[in-house]
Amino acid sequence: DGGITQSPKYLFRKEGQNVTLSCEQNLNHDAMYWYRQDPGQGLRLIYYSQIVNDFQKGDIAEGYSVSREKKESFPLTVTSAQKNPTAFYLCASSIKTDSYEQYFGPGTRLTVT
Amino acid sequence: QQPVQSPQAVILREGEDAVINCSSSKALYSVHWYRQKHGEAPVFLMILLKGGEQKGHEKISASFNEKKQQSSLYLTASQLSYSGTYFCGTERSDSWGKLQFGAGTQVVVTP
Repeated sequence: DGGITQSPKYLFRKEGQNVTLSCEQNLNHDAMYWYRQDPGQGLRLIYYSQIVNDFQKGDIAEGYSVSREKKESFPLTVTSAQKNPTAFYLCASSIKTDSYEQYFGPGTRLTVT
Repeated sequence: QQPVQSPQAVILREGEDAVINCSSSKALYSVHWYRQKHGEAPVFLMILLKGGEQKGHEKISASFNEKKQQSSLYLTASQLSYSGTYFCGTERSDSWGKLQFGAGTQVVVTP
């Protein structure tokens, strides 16, 4: 089955620790995205990548980092510099970036205390 | 700058119709619509491109007014399965490939 997997579904961390969220896709999509969703709000773009070894900042990149070493993988690291890391994180992919539908993974709910 | 969606919430009886609006202050190249059920990932519904190309989904359709930078999503003869939060994602003409999402419209369809 083709799709996007994110792991883990729930993640708990202590303040001050970096944490890496996994995102893998087997759809052979070029583009991948990371979004953050807070309760009652829409999705906000953190980072996106159009091709391997290239990525761009989204609207709220501060305190986050990504890598794109393989086409199918786009991990997100939430660093200790992120002031309010507790949120629902969604990974998505699309064939290309320009005006193609995005397919979303099931999400990771991160809680930092 | 995020697009503005209205209304924030709507409650419908099965079979009724509803309209959800999405507006932007910037020139848009495309508008995407997604539906998200509680605790789940958003699911793509349709995309509207500048120039009029449109795709549809079930009894849900949409329009895109390029002059006003507005899009409307039409839920016709609503079904229980239409319940969820609807988000519009706008792709600006000066920023291809990046979607900015509205805050969402919660739709509840009752029997």
